[in-house]
Amino acid sequence: SAVISQKPSRDICQRGTSLTIQCQVDSQVTMMFWYRQQPGQSLTLIATANQGSEATYESGFVIDKFPISRPNLTFSTLTVSNMSPEDSSIYLCSVEGYGYEQYFGPGTRLTVT
Amino acid sequence: TQLLEQSPQFLSIQEGENLTVYCNSSSVFSSLQWYRQEPGEGPVLLVTVVTGGEVKKLKRLTFQFGDARKDSSLHITAAQPGDTGLYLCAGLGTGGTSYGKLTFGQGTILTVHP
Repeated sequence: SAVISQKPSRDICQRGTSLTIQCQVDSQVTMMFWYRQQPGQSLTLIATANQGSEATYESGFVIDKFPISRPNLTFSTLTVSNMSPEDSSIYLCSVEGYGYEQYFGPGTRLTVT
Repeated sequence: TQLLEQSPQFLSIQEGENLTVYCNSSSVFSSLQWYRQEPGEGPVLLVTVVTGGEVKKLKRLTFQFGDARKDSSLHITAAQPGDTGLYLCAGLGTGGTSYGKLTFGQGTILTVHP
């Protein structure tokens, strides 16, 4: 398993601003994933980030709104741009194990006012 | 697109009761994973079932994968307040655009009252 940390753990932001969420893993991994979750609900995959290539976005998510960086094998960032109240959510990063299981960070709780 | 229907959405029970959570789909999955998530934390993997008909036990938790690998269940015996949390099932796609992708169920919020 991997140990994953995220920063910030929570933030309250004003609409129209941007927030960058950091994800740090304690080991080198090929793929990192970014999810969005409403409290008490399921997870929606935003994008998959491979080191050295452009992130792959799921339907409904675009790079201009959620730019992702993956500068090395242990770190990734997700930016939520031009935020609106609809972006209020929990953002989780994860890495994949050998059996495709996911190991998640603790999440970043974002509130947009 | 593969869908995974999880039920019930909410469960509120007394300590000592038994419960079952279901995940059903019309699609076949390579494997089925179960996660538990507590407030302020990310989901934590409980178990992965891979073979049709497989049963795995984790203390008071019993996980079963359907024979056709389209459904799964989680049974908790003698629930305790520490079992409280959000339970998520996730199916691993078998082929085409779903290959290697996880599909998450809607989640079950379990509350066990002392």
